[in-house]
Amino acid sequence: EVQLVQSGAEVKKPGESLKISCKGSGYSFTTYWIAWVRQMPGKGLEWMGIIYPHDSDITYSPSFQGQVSISANKSITTAYLQWTSLKASDTAVYFCARPRASGSYFANAFDVWGQGTMVTVSS
Amino acid sequence: DIQMTQSPSSLSASVGDRVTITCRASQNIKSYLNWYSQTPGRAPKLLIYTASSLHSGVPSRFSGSGSGTEFTLTISGLQPEDVGSYYCQQTYSSPQTFGQGTKLEI
Repeated sequence: EVQLVQSGAEVKKPGESLKISCKGSGYSFTTYWIAWVRQMPGKGLEWMGIIYPHDSDITYSPSFQGQVSISANKSITTAYLQWTSLKASDTAVYFCARPRASGSYFANAFDVWGQGTMVTVSS
Repeated sequence: DIQMTQSPSSLSASVGDRVTITCRASQNIKSYLNWYSQTPGRAPKLLIYTASSLHSGVPSRFSGSGSGTEFTLTISGLQPEDVGSYYCQQTYSSPQTFGQGTKLEI
């Protein structure tokens, strides 16, 4: 079964660092892009950025460039989303998602999603 | 960034109704438009890709149409399990922006 399994909920204080994970299984991890999508409480979906685990090619949304870091470790088929200094406004559910077809994310819908990781940032 | 605008933002309908949600793009995205549904506390699910292709396992009451800048999602014969939020997404260019969502109540 193709699946993405994300790490568990996190509660952090402003200024702390955090790295959440998304483990892929049941498919060739290195040949499919993996995206990160934010959903703030009661709000819609926001595309943050995407990584190609084969060579760690990354594209960020301008809205998130410099605010987060995306990475992947293909040896353990896991992608990551990282913050160095969290803010209260980072409170959200974060999803990872995989496109339908391998090799490109252009013109390619997301058909496999992780279950989401709730990140709460509060003093 | 390409802006995606959905209408309406919310709607209420009855079981058996035909429901239409519209998504407009701020520039021509050809047919690179997808539709997702989401229920509270769950991950989004793909319904329609490239404007009109039904994703595997999705009931045939869901259909999509459009190209260029205007697209529609139609649910023919609304079912109780269709309650939730619906999002369009363009995959023509990066960042692959989503619409703001349409909340469907029954």
